[in-house]
Amino acid sequence: GESVGLHLPTLSVQEGDNSIINCAYSNSASDYFIWYKQESGKGPQFIIDIRSNMDKRQGQRVTVLLNKTVKHLSLQIAATQPGDSAVYFCAEPVTSGTYKYIFGTGTRLKVLA
Amino acid sequence: EAGVTQFPSHSVIEKGQTVTLRCDPISGHDNLYWYRRVMGKEIKFLLHFVKESKQDESGMPNNRFLAERTGGTYSTLKVQPAELEDSGVYFCASSRSTGVGETQYFGPGTRLLVL
Repeated sequence: GESVGLHLPTLSVQEGDNSIINCAYSNSASDYFIWYKQESGKGPQFIIDIRSNMDKRQGQRVTVLLNKTVKHLSLQIAATQPGDSAVYFCAEPVTSGTYKYIFGTGTRLKVLA
Repeated sequence: EAGVTQFPSHSVIEKGQTVTLRCDPISGHDNLYWYRRVMGKEIKFLLHFVKESKQDESGMPNNRFLAERTGGTYSTLKVQPAELEDSGVYFCASSRSTGVGETQYFGPGTRLLVL
């Protein structure tokens, strides 16, 4: 069945450096992906999304890259700040008869001062 | 525009008791979802309402869980009787419609601890 997984459970990054969070998916027919950020005590917040007809999409300090050949997704955060510390999830909608998200386990990003 | 709200923010109950969680979606959002995150694991889908109808309840763990959305506005999720493994964070989300590109907006969650 479909699955969305993350390569690393925890990522520690020096403040000011760039962060790269990875995600692998198994359903080659997937056509939409979303990244969420969850801060402690809060719910997941939408960061950025990408459709399968794109390879790259940029937001404010964030870039999502999609490699359909190897079914890999990454979230790049430029100039990582302390406020970026959170758990990041990639998610993939299942749209056949429903509209639910399949989430990965999540990657905890720790920003070191 | 107010976001998704959930009540209570935390709940601590004993095994065998009943707990009811409430979710108020974003106004105008017909689609309402419940998810759960058990400690250290991924966020998992529980069910999906379209207005007052259950579109998909394939993720509900067992018949101790009952979700309702009378009138198609707010929703409740009741756990009766609660078991230890029900502990976790219960998230509610809503979206205006469904389909590619339609974002689900999440509430802050209810943290449930069953002792």
